[in-house]
Amino acid sequence: TQLLEQSPQFLSIQEGENLTVYCNSSSVFSSLQWYRQEPGEGPVLLVTVVTGGEVKKLKRLTFQFGDARKDSSLHITAAQPGDTGLYLCAGGPESSASKIIFGSGTRLSIRP
Amino acid sequence: NAGVTQTPKFRILKIGQSMTLQCTQDMNHNYMYWYRQDPGMGLKLIYYSVGAGITDKGEVPNGYNVSRSTTEDFPLRLELAAPSQTSVYFCASSTTALGTKNIQYFGAGTRLSVL
Repeated sequence: TQLLEQSPQFLSIQEGENLTVYCNSSSVFSSLQWYRQEPGEGPVLLVTVVTGGEVKKLKRLTFQFGDARKDSSLHITAAQPGDTGLYLCAGGPESSASKIIFGSGTRLSIRP
Repeated sequence: NAGVTQTPKFRILKIGQSMTLQCTQDMNHNYMYWYRQDPGMGLKLIYYSVGAGITDKGEVPNGYNVSRSTTEDFPLRLELAAPSQTSVYFCASSTTALGTKNIQYFGAGTRLSVL
């Protein structure tokens, strides 16, 4: 069974602090995505990374895909209350790209 | 701009009842997916389809059936509802499964309780 493990599960930090969320697997993924989900809504795509070692930036968010395409990280600089939400990583395993696998999520809370 | 539309938004079923969760998209996407999300967890793939007439099992297909007679519609059928199927169900669609073009658009979800 191919798994995507996210850590930490929960994170509560003060506004202005930095944080990193991790997404790890023993399998190789053809691409990996990060989503944010608000309560009562479906996930919304933040970024897709495809190439091993790739780094993408979205304002204060920095996403990195591991060299071996087995892991990814999301770093948020100077967190704001608007960053609060459930962050999910998801990927299409190299063996079956259509079967998207989601991690269990990191619930982030930013205190004003 | 409708995107992905799911109905109903909420439903309560008794054990053993059947129902169909409807999903339709107006973006002419070939790929469609059904996921379930248990409280505080990520999404698990139930079934997916790469085009009209083609469906395949995901991680957790037991207790569910799907059909894809048109590009737009991808209904999910529960034949004999069980308490373990209490969850929030999300439908999604995308143009492709691969790489940076795999942008999945999600519906707002159907919250199902089986009592």
